[in-house]
Amino acid sequence: DGGITQSPKYLFRKEGQNVTLSCEQNLNHDAMYWYRQDPGQGLRLIYYSQIVNDFQKGDIAEGYSVSREKKESFPLTVTSAQKNPTAFYLCASSPAGTSGSNTDTQYFGPGTRLTVL
Amino acid sequence: ILNVEQSPQSLHVQEGDSTNFTCSFPSSNFYALHWYRWETAKSPEALFVMTLNGDEKKKGRISATLNTKEGYSYLYIKGSQPEDSATYLCAFGEYGNKLVFGAGTILRVKS
Repeated sequence: DGGITQSPKYLFRKEGQNVTLSCEQNLNHDAMYWYRQDPGQGLRLIYYSQIVNDFQKGDIAEGYSVSREKKESFPLTVTSAQKNPTAFYLCASSPAGTSGSNTDTQYFGPGTRLTVL
Repeated sequence: ILNVEQSPQSLHVQEGDSTNFTCSFPSSNFYALHWYRWETAKSPEALFVMTLNGDEKKKGRISATLNTKEGYSYLYIKGSQPEDSATYLCAFGEYGNKLVFGAGTILRVKS
């Protein structure tokens, strides 16, 4: 089955700790994205990557970091610098990266709900 | 940052009712408009991608129209069924292969 997996489904973190959210895809997609959802708001872009070993900041990158060492993997680290990390995090991918366009459909994972205690 | 607005925020209808919601977006520098359906406990799934003014797309009982000159898109559901209950998201395709999402319209269909 092709798709996007995110783990874990639920994650609890103490204040001051860094935590890494996993995102893996076997769709052979070039582009990958991380979004954050808060109640009453749309999905907001944290980081995106159009090709391996390259990524760009989205609208709310502060307090987050990513890596893209492999085409199929795009982990997101929520650092202690992120002031309000409790949220639902969605990972997505789309087929074409630098040659893609904004008509490309994005395919989403099931999400990770992060709660800071 | 672009602003994409959706209305209403939520909608409760009876089975068999037809319904529609609105997505408003900037009318300048338009590239594409996406609609997604997000059912509870599942991942968002693409419904339509629309690029041309006057575009109309249809999938079963769901259809969408696009007006890029005035910056809005309508999503219509004919004869709503309980399985249509979901959050419907629209997203503006921004330059550089990025999407800007609205907050969504939550639809609940009662049987």
